Amino acid sequence: GAGVSQSPSNKVTEKGKDVELRCDPISGHTALYWYRQRLGQGLEFLIYFQGNSAPDKSGLPSDRFSAERTGESVSTLTIQRTQQEDSAVYLCASSLGRQLNTEAFFGQGTRLTVV
Amino acid sequence: QKEVEQDPGPLSVPEGAIVSLNCTYSNSAFQYFMWYRQYSRKGPELLMYTYSSGNKEDGRFTAQVDKSSKYISLFIRDSQPSDSATYLCALDSGGYNKLIFGAGTRLAVHP
Repeated sequence: GAGVSQSPSNKVTEKGKDVELRCDPISGHTALYWYRQRLGQGLEFLIYFQGNSAPDKSGLPSDRFSAERTGESVSTLTIQRTQQEDSAVYLCASSLGRQLNTEAFFGQGTRLTVV
Repeated sequence: QKEVEQDPGPLSVPEGAIVSLNCTYSNSAFQYFMWYRQYSRKGPELLMYTYSSGNKEDGRFTAQVDKSSKYISLFIRDSQPSDSATYLCALDSGGYNKLIFGAGTRLAVHP
């Protein structure tokens, strides 16, 4: 596709339920990032993929959070047993990930509300 | 110490003013410097991209990198109400390393 696509755009879930957030990066982009943005806050790094591997997952806040990437393409961020503090916009970005061309492009985000 | 420091603002200026937005960083390995603009309830969009030290101009926007001081700036000339947004700096050391973001500065340009 032309840009980074995230789905769903909005998700309301009950506390304790599991949710899956999807990111379709720009074709050919080897690097993929997940960030979380709470209301009025900056971007909080969650995890970084290079290809299908995650060399840096240091930002995942707890073991309820996991992510995977397949085919050096689609990535899924899963939050188990959601809590109200998980409410935020989850942003995905991708970049070519090679030297001299590391601009990252963002999707519109998934707005998650845990009630 | 955070890898990237950015004053969150908010910064409020009158229309037509020159705006200066800044970030400082600690890791001298950073070589790639980006500025993103984020409108309310939207994803960040890439505004400017600079490699290494120097200036880059694009219309009313100028990005400046001073690697010796570990200081990057974004200047907006003739600011417009449509420039009201959050501006985030982002840095990368290149190759297979993650992108690091500043906290973002909220800018309001009032008519």
